[in-house]
Amino acid sequence: GEDVEQSLFLSVREGDSSVINCTYTDSSSTYLYWYKQEPGAGLQLLTYIFSNMDMKQDQRLTVLLNKKDKHLSLRIADTQTGDSAIYFCAESTNDYKLSFGAGTTVTVRA
Amino acid sequence: KAGVTQTPRYLIKTRGQQVTLSCSPISGHRSVSWYQQTPGQGLQFLFEYFSETQRNKGNFPGRFSGRQFSNSRSEMNVSTLELGDSALYLCASSLTTLRSPFFGPGTRLTVL
Repeated sequence: GEDVEQSLFLSVREGDSSVINCTYTDSSSTYLYWYKQEPGAGLQLLTYIFSNMDMKQDQRLTVLLNKKDKHLSLRIADTQTGDSAIYFCAESTNDYKLSFGAGTTVTVRA
Repeated sequence: KAGVTQTPRYLIKTRGQQVTLSCSPISGHRSVSWYQQTPGQGLQFLFEYFSETQRNKGNFPGRFSGRQFSNSRSEMNVSTLELGDSALYLCASSLTTLRSPFFGPGTRLTVL
């Protein structure tokens, strides 16, 4: 079955790196995603990684995947106040749906 | 290219009424899926459509239904509204299979 877990809160100082962690249970996951949600808005796709990859870098974002441990992380370099939001980890399998974690609320302090 | 659009953005209904929400996918996208977001349950999958066919359905009662038209636009309907149906309803579209789904801004439904 599918079960995605994330820590609920992260506080980080402006300019530091943020690391958000996620674990999933479905070994048949094909893609793993990170979405960002700001207050009153929908979900913004930040990045995704295919399950046969270990790492993906996209500007300030680095995704690491440890398939053996079913662990996914998102690192945001040089965190800015505009990065304050809720971040969701999600997995897709072969049944045409996404399973989401509960979301990590990231607060960036000056 | 325009993103996923959802109408209406906000809706207030009373218990027992029904509601229809609309989603227009990104041009060329043929897969449309729907999710319900609530503070208590988080993001839950409702259903997914491709070429007017429902390929998967989540664990929601039969009051929740949907459909997709030949132009890939989709609607979802909730009949006999309950207070617990108050939520943000999100629609996502992708090209074919569920790769890089892009979400719309959502419809905020409040049931009084």
